[in-house]
Amino acid sequence: DVKVTQSSRYLVKRTGEKVFLECVQDMDHENMFWYRQDPGLGLRLIYFSYDVKMKEKGDIPEGYSVSREKKERFSLILESASTNQTSMYLCASSLSGRATDTQYFGPGTRLTVL
Amino acid sequence: QKEVEQNSGPLSVPEGAIASLNCTYSDRVSQSFFWYRQYSGKSPELIMSIYSNGDKEDGRFTAQLNKASQYVSLLIRDSQPSDSATYLCAVNPGTYKYIFGTGTRLKVLA
Repeated sequence: DVKVTQSSRYLVKRTGEKVFLECVQDMDHENMFWYRQDPGLGLRLIYFSYDVKMKEKGDIPEGYSVSREKKERFSLILESASTNQTSMYLCASSLSGRATDTQYFGPGTRLTVL
Repeated sequence: QKEVEQNSGPLSVPEGAIASLNCTYSDRVSQSFFWYRQYSGKSPELIMSIYSNGDKEDGRFTAQLNKASQYVSLLIRDSQPSDSATYLCAVNPGTYKYIFGTGTRLKVLA
């Protein structure tokens, strides 16, 4: 079974704080993704990574950065949290770059920025 | 035009009925299609994937794909209250990216 874990289920931070969200997958997947999900807007891709130290911007990268130092771990960083970054953050992974590969999601982190 | 479109619902069906969820996509080169179920406050979990035109059945679930019409659907037979959730359609156009619809909320009435 594919397992994707995220460091926190709920997180409350203050405006201006630096926030780290971590994601780990245990299936040797090449690709990892960070999404945010907001009511009415669906899943929006922030960043993805197709290899260690490789990253690509998604649709809404502004205000975020990522790090992938090891294959199994993909971190999302909010350099200076703002209230409009309050959201559900979902990490996902897939085996490789084939279109038929399934994306598997972690449990999500609900981040509130006060 | 959104790349993947779904009716937001809610779609209400009585227990035991067939629920029909629909999804249209705009990119003709899309190669693979996925249906995810998402319970409130939880993350999406895969129900089915489909890559070829036609029907694919898995238990009470049937996915239907028509590439000519750019249409994919999910049928849930013998709907149960536990099927009440938001169903997300996702499309992969042959890249690393997956494009998600905003989901259809299904309510199965006991």
